[in-house]
Amino acid sequence: DSGVTQTPKHLITATGQRVTLRCSPRSGDLSVYWYQQSLDQGLQFLIQYYNGEERAKGNILERFSAQQFPDLHSELNLSSLELGDSALYFCASSVQTTGELFFGEGSRLTVL
Amino acid sequence: GQNIDQPTEMTATEGAIVQINCTYQTSGFNGLFWYQQHAGEAPTFLSYNVLDGLEEKGRFSSFLSRSKGYSYLLLKELQMKDSASYLCAVRDLRDTGTASKLTFGTGTRLQVTL
Repeated sequence: DSGVTQTPKHLITATGQRVTLRCSPRSGDLSVYWYQQSLDQGLQFLIQYYNGEERAKGNILERFSAQQFPDLHSELNLSSLELGDSALYFCASSVQTTGELFFGEGSRLTVL
Repeated sequence: GQNIDQPTEMTATEGAIVQINCTYQTSGFNGLFWYQQHAGEAPTFLSYNVLDGLEEKGRFSSFLSRSKGYSYLLLKELQMKDSASYLCAVRDLRDTGTASKLTFGTGTRLQVTL
């Protein structure tokens, strides 16, 4: 157990819909990272927050947005969903000194 | 940007030793990580190298050569449970302090057979 909590574990929805994925970092970690992993693809960095502020942005679509709340949990919002958005979405939090990432169990999104 | 290359698949026999290579290109290097990921599960941290040389941790060792942009993960005494994907990830020099994202390779799927 990494200590990073993600909900929901599985989500099935239709094209055009909107979903919200939630993540709670490990106790004491201020950073939250979101990654997308499509079938047979590597982990693609989407976005990072540190103590409520956006710190780095990767290949995140405009249809996607995220935020980190004062209690440090984060939400990733995916809207106008397309079939290609079906993927595993991982949240991670980091150890400040080495930058090692601890990953949650992921949210598997299926868009039909 | 960064470019990370790993073999797509490898097969090895139980009890044997396997070496998984990773080459990378980055404008500024600030650490290399290896993760293990079983199918459908979260990646779990294996090792971290920031200086040249070998880091040993039980059955797993990781080597880094910064001048060659090269790393390998060595797995000894392979067990069936080692069948998984092994992900190489690099942290860029610009990604320090409060912004420490990792860029991952596509991973090497290792199949351990009897």
